[in-house]
Amino acid sequence: NAGVTQTPKFQVLKTGQSMTLQCAQDMNHNSMYWYRQDPGMGLRLIYYSASEGTTDKGEVPNGYNVSRLNKREFSLRLESAAPSQTSVYFCASSELWGSSYEQYFGPGTRLTVT
Amino acid sequence: DAKTTQPPSMDCAEGRAANLPCNHSTISGNEYVYWYRQIHSQGPQYIIHGLKNNETNEMASLIITEDRKSSTLILPHATLRDTAVYYCIVRVGSGGNYQLIWGAGTKLIIKP
Repeated sequence: NAGVTQTPKFQVLKTGQSMTLQCAQDMNHNSMYWYRQDPGMGLRLIYYSASEGTTDKGEVPNGYNVSRLNKREFSLRLESAAPSQTSVYFCASSELWGSSYEQYFGPGTRLTVT
Repeated sequence: DAKTTQPPSMDCAEGRAANLPCNHSTISGNEYVYWYRQIHSQGPQYIIHGLKNNETNEMASLIITEDRKSSTLILPHATLRDTAVYYCIVRVGSGGNYQLIWGAGTKLIIKP
């Protein structure tokens, strides 16, 4: 049981390049999330998927697209990377059990755009 | 926008109780308070959550004021491994469609 996995762990892009961050979870959770975390700040929600087949914008969606490929996988795409997208990206998944809505996080992808 | 405010940093002596405050004065009646922590730059880790009653688990206790405008996370016997950034978070949404609204967190340093 690996929990939430993310690939790659590190990535350096040049301005204008594109890439896809991959996320997978093996806990059979319905909901999945993509966050970014800039230095010294809390997490900001980029996009989320409440269930398979649905995606919604979060707080900072501009410059990103997502795909909920199936229940396990949720990818984040940067079509034309910009230096402002240099950040650590976290994927998370969750399920609502009673009142508990614990989110489980992956290890993060550290992205630098030059 | 963040719905919580926390002090940016706190110190606590090893073995003592660490009390981390959080203000959430605009919280709505059905919105839960969650606490997570982040050690170094790892993925955040869930600690505890509550609505209006005090809660306790194996990691911590959560005290929510009667008016629900503030709360305190208590780590009863802090160890050096509890050094981390602690986030007080409000859960918004309904009908299974939820989001966590994160603040900037409190950097807790446990000193020997």
